[in-house]
Amino acid sequence: EAGVTQFPSHSVIEKGQTVTLRCDPISGHDNLYWYRRVMGKEIKFLLHFVKESKQDESGMPNNRFLAERTGGTYSTLKVQPAELEDSGVYFCASSRGLLNEKLFFGSGTQLSVL
Amino acid sequence: DQQVKQNSPSLSVQEGRISILNCDYTNSMFDYFLWYKKYPAEGPTFLISISSIKDKNEDGRFTVFLNKSAKHLSLHIVPSQPGDSAVYFCAAQPTSGTYKYIFGTGTRLKVLA
Repeated sequence: EAGVTQFPSHSVIEKGQTVTLRCDPISGHDNLYWYRRVMGKEIKFLLHFVKESKQDESGMPNNRFLAERTGGTYSTLKVQPAELEDSGVYFCASSRGLLNEKLFFGSGTQLSVL
Repeated sequence: DQQVKQNSPSLSVQEGRISILNCDYTNSMFDYFLWYKKYPAEGPTFLISISSIKDKNEDGRFTVFLNKSAKHLSLHIVPSQPGDSAVYFCAAQPTSGTYKYIFGTGTRLKVLA
């Protein structure tokens, strides 16, 4: 069974540019989460999809961030325009069920905004 | 407002000894708790979990203890091995409302050979 895959693994962009991160969850996992970790800090929740619907987007920092999950399969997270403080590692995770389930994480995308 | 706290940023332990990692939480609605291990340049990997109806769960060298009255959980690793050197995160999920998992800031464990 393939794990959660994320692309790209690294992205270096300049302030003001646009970046799109992609996540392919484990097949059959309805729940998809995006998280971000800034160096030394917590793994911070961004949003949660159940299939194609946004269950909770309370962690999205501002309207420069847009997440989609068309068809309930893979998801994209677009940052437009990127700012310096958006730098960090973006993790995607998936789970089959909603409660009392372990999350399976991808390897993350290291985003550096210069 | 940090709902899940790991107050020790780092911990060093001799190989073969016990490692104890601690986690405190503030939200009494948390019902499910997990520990993850993270190596550099990799995503977190699941280690062990515990439901709030239990106070202990064991899996091989790893044991998680939950003290609901103190809102505290701990991860015990016995015996510690050099390959256990990693960053450990605790996480919690509430019973209702939002289903998001809240993570702590992590504790870097170094097991010395």
